[in-house]
Amino acid sequence: AQSVTQLGSHVSVSEGALVLLRCNYSSSVPPYLFWYVQYPNQGLQLLLKYTSAATLVKGINGFEAEFKKSETSFHLTKPSAHMSDAAEYFCAVSDRGSQGNLIFGKGTKLSVKP
Amino acid sequence: GAGVSQSPSNKVTEKGKDVELRCDPISGHTALYWYRQRLGQGLEFLIYFQGNSAPDKSGLPSDRFSAERTGESVSTLTIQRTQQEDSAVYLCASSYRVQTEAFFGQGTRLTVV
Repeated sequence: AQSVTQLGSHVSVSEGALVLLRCNYSSSVPPYLFWYVQYPNQGLQLLLKYTSAATLVKGINGFEAEFKKSETSFHLTKPSAHMSDAAEYFCAVSDRGSQGNLIFGKGTKLSVKP
Repeated sequence: GAGVSQSPSNKVTEKGKDVELRCDPISGHTALYWYRQRLGQGLEFLIYFQGNSAPDKSGLPSDRFSAERTGESVSTLTIQRTQQEDSAVYLCASSYRVQTEAFFGQGTRLTVV
């Protein structure tokens, strides 16, 4: 069964600094990959997804992620953090086969310091 | 409705009672997922439906948990003989089909006292 690992349960950056949130998956076949964001006291919403087209995926709010098969990674980045980016970020994976299970990582809480 | 709707939004129950949580997915979405999120924790997969069938029930924590879906629409998650460790937010999500974007409801916050 596929799984996803997010390194770092809590990441803190200064406003304007680079944001890098790590996600690694385990699957013999490259799966579908997603990043979701959960703002305080709100539901989850999709940031971006990788389905097999371009390896560099652009999402909402200036975020992007790069799929690297050799590293089984799908790290999320944003060049310049904004205070409003403070939230919890979840990486998720879905198998390409008939099984459509959507499995989430444990999440990374992003704090942005002024 | 326009989004995924879950009811109730909050539920306080006594230990040992049964509870039923409801999820109304977006119309036309064939895939439906249930997750549990304990305070400060990530999303724990419980079960997912493809149509009315549940190909993967592996995440259900015990036989006290069950779920069903009818008419390729509404789903109910039932927890029997609730325990304090069942306290969490239960999230439902639906997607047009598996492997496409999942849309989440606001969740049901369950507190077992």
